[in-house]
Amino acid sequence: AQTVTQSQPEMSVQEAETVTLSCTYDTSENNYYLFWYKQPPSRQMILVIRQEAYKQQNATENRFSVNFQKAAKSFSLKISDSQLGDTAMYFCAFMKHGSSNTGKLIFGQGTTLQVKP
Amino acid sequence: EPEVTQTPSHQVTQMGQEVILRCVPISNHLYFYWYRQILGQKVEFLVSFYNNEISEKSEIFDDQFSVERPDGSNFTLKIRSTKLEDSAMYFCASCLFILAEQYFGPGTRLTVT
Repeated sequence: AQTVTQSQPEMSVQEAETVTLSCTYDTSENNYYLFWYKQPPSRQMILVIRQEAYKQQNATENRFSVNFQKAAKSFSLKISDSQLGDTAMYFCAFMKHGSSNTGKLIFGQGTTLQVKP
Repeated sequence: EPEVTQTPSHQVTQMGQEVILRCVPISNHLYFYWYRQILGQKVEFLVSFYNNEISEKSEIFDDQFSVERPDGSNFTLKIRSTKLEDSAMYFCASCLFILAEQYFGPGTRLTVT
């Protein structure tokens, strides 16, 4: 069975600074997908960034980038130039690849990020 | 931009009662999901639904749970006889194809007393 672990329940960062959220996972699968979702206070969860395990290049979306270390089973999220609107709960998630994939997401516990002015 | 909607936003029910949580997925999506999050814990997968049938369900999704897409627009989660431990936030999600982004609803907070 796959598991996802986020070891930082809460983090804070000053506006315009950079912050890194950690995520580790455990799986015996070779092909899979990893995601970071953001859940602002009282709002829907939205996708921030995704990474295909077969791609060595780290995914980047504007100020958001990941550091994917497949051998270490680590998938951290870096937020550059933090903005007040980045304040949210961030979830790391895993999805397996292959014919048996139903789209099921396995989530970590979440990290609450507070961006301070 | 299209959104997934869920009703009600908060449901309070007594133990043993039946509840139906409703979701309206994005109209052209084909894959549908329910997740739940007990306060302070991780988001957990409950069930996936495609082509009018369950494609996968978790251990949590026992005989007390059922899902239905009765009219091509709504996607419902029914809990037949609620327990205290069913108290949680329930999220619906949908996507166009399996590897596409899942769009989440705002959630229904279920409180069982």
